[in-house]
Amino acid sequence: AQSVSQHNHHVILSEAASLELGCNYSYGGTVNLFWYVQYPGQHLQLLLKYFSGDPLVKGIKGFEAEFIKSKFSFNLRKPSVQWSDTAEYFCAVLNNNAGNMLTFGGGTRLMVKP
Amino acid sequence: DGGITQSPKYLFRKEGQNVTLSCEQNLNHDAMYWYRQDPGQGLRLIYYSQIVNDFQKGDIAEGYSVSREKKESFPLTVTSAQKNPTAFYLCASSPDRGRTNYGYTFGSGTRLTVV
Repeated sequence: AQSVSQHNHHVILSEAASLELGCNYSYGGTVNLFWYVQYPGQHLQLLLKYFSGDPLVKGIKGFEAEFIKSKFSFNLRKPSVQWSDTAEYFCAVLNNNAGNMLTFGGGTRLMVKP
Repeated sequence: DGGITQSPKYLFRKEGQNVTLSCEQNLNHDAMYWYRQDPGQGLRLIYYSQIVNDFQKGDIAEGYSVSREKKESFPLTVTSAQKNPTAFYLCASSPDRGRTNYGYTFGSGTRLTVV
C-alpha cells in the first residue's frame, strides 16, 4: 500500500521567513500529487496539484511545489510567509492504479508569528 | 453555489449509541468519500463510493457503515462498535473516475464527541 510522509509535524516561523515543508511518498508508479491547506475553522482547500508536465508547480497565495521523481518527493515552498499562512498543510498522493484514491500525509501545522 | 454540505457541525453522542452524519453534494460528482481526521494522523479513509448503490471499505472501516442510495447523498453511521469515535469527520467528492486527478472537494466537517 502506498504511504505519504510529512516529516515536520509542527513548524514555527516568523513573518518573512522562507518555508519548505517536506512530503515523501512510497508508490513508484504514476502518481498525481496535491497539497491541501486547512485554515483555522475552515474546510480543506486545494493549494496546488501536479499530474504532468513541468515538475515545478505554482499554486495560490505564492506557494509552489517541486516534484522530484527520483526522490519520491513533492515539497511545498514559499519564499516569504505571512501571518495569514498559519494553517495545517496536507500532502496527498493519488494513485491511478489503486481506485483513484487520495492518500494523505499526517499534516504539518504551521504557525507564523507576526 | 455548488458544494458539499455536512451536518451537523458539532455532534455529541452517548456511549453505546449509533449516530448518523449527513453529507450532501450538488456538484453532480459521481464519487464520494468519508475521512476521519485525528491530530498528527492526517486524514484516514473510512469508506468511499464511486457510483450510486456501490461503496467500498477504506483503511479504517470497522465500526462504521454507509449507504449511497442517491448520487447527492452519502451518510455515514458511526456505530457503537467503533471503539474510539471522537474525531473530526470529513466528507469529500470528486468527478467521475477518469477525472479524479483534479482533486477532491471537501465539506466543512462534523466534530463528533462521545460523552
